[in-house]
Amino acid sequence: GENVEQHPSTLSVQEGDSAVIKCTYSDSASNYFPWYKQELGKGPQLIIDIRSNVGEKKDQRIAVTLNKTAKHFSLHITETQPEDSAVYFCAPYSGGGADGLTFGKGTHLIIQP
Amino acid sequence: NAGVTQTPKFQVLKTGQSMTLQCAQDMNHNSMYWYRQDPGMGLRLIYYSASEGTTDKGEVPNGYNVSRLNKREFSLRLESAAPSQTSVYFCASSESPGANQPQHFGDGTRLSIL
Repeated sequence: GENVEQHPSTLSVQEGDSAVIKCTYSDSASNYFPWYKQELGKGPQLIIDIRSNVGEKKDQRIAVTLNKTAKHFSLHITETQPEDSAVYFCAPYSGGGADGLTFGKGTHLIIQP
Repeated sequence: NAGVTQTPKFQVLKTGQSMTLQCAQDMNHNSMYWYRQDPGMGLRLIYYSASEGTTDKGEVPNGYNVSRLNKREFSLRLESAAPSQTSVYFCASSESPGANQPQHFGDGTRLSIL
């Protein structure tokens, strides 16, 4: 199965600065790369995803970049705001095994005022 | 516009008791999932249902059973609860099978086994 690692586990940034979270995966057959955001007391919510035929995707202040050669993809958040404080999970998919997501352990993003 | 609804939101059980967690979605999705989330961990898949009438084991199925009651509803049953099953349980749904598409999550059931 897929071995997924996220770094860092905790990230604290000043409001207005940028944040980058990296996800490393093991299965070279992975072809779908989503990021989920989980706010306190809520379920995860998809915020952005990318497929293997695309190197980068942007949606307003968030972007995802993919490096298939190195087997990692990253979440970029610019101009961070207090509402960006949450836990972020990557969940790369390789197409084998169960249909459920294989999550990383999460990155707790803290936006300092 | 409810999305995925889970009941109850909180529950405390004693070891050995049984209970069923309920999940319903109103998005006409074909596939549904049950995950558990333990402190400091990502979510782990317990069971899933690719379509109405089918269920399959995920990563951590031991101690659980599921029922896909109809297209909308997917329940998770603990027959004899153990302290190791203390966790937050999330139900999710997707339009079709496969983890290569968005999954929509409920807000979870927080379960404590004493």
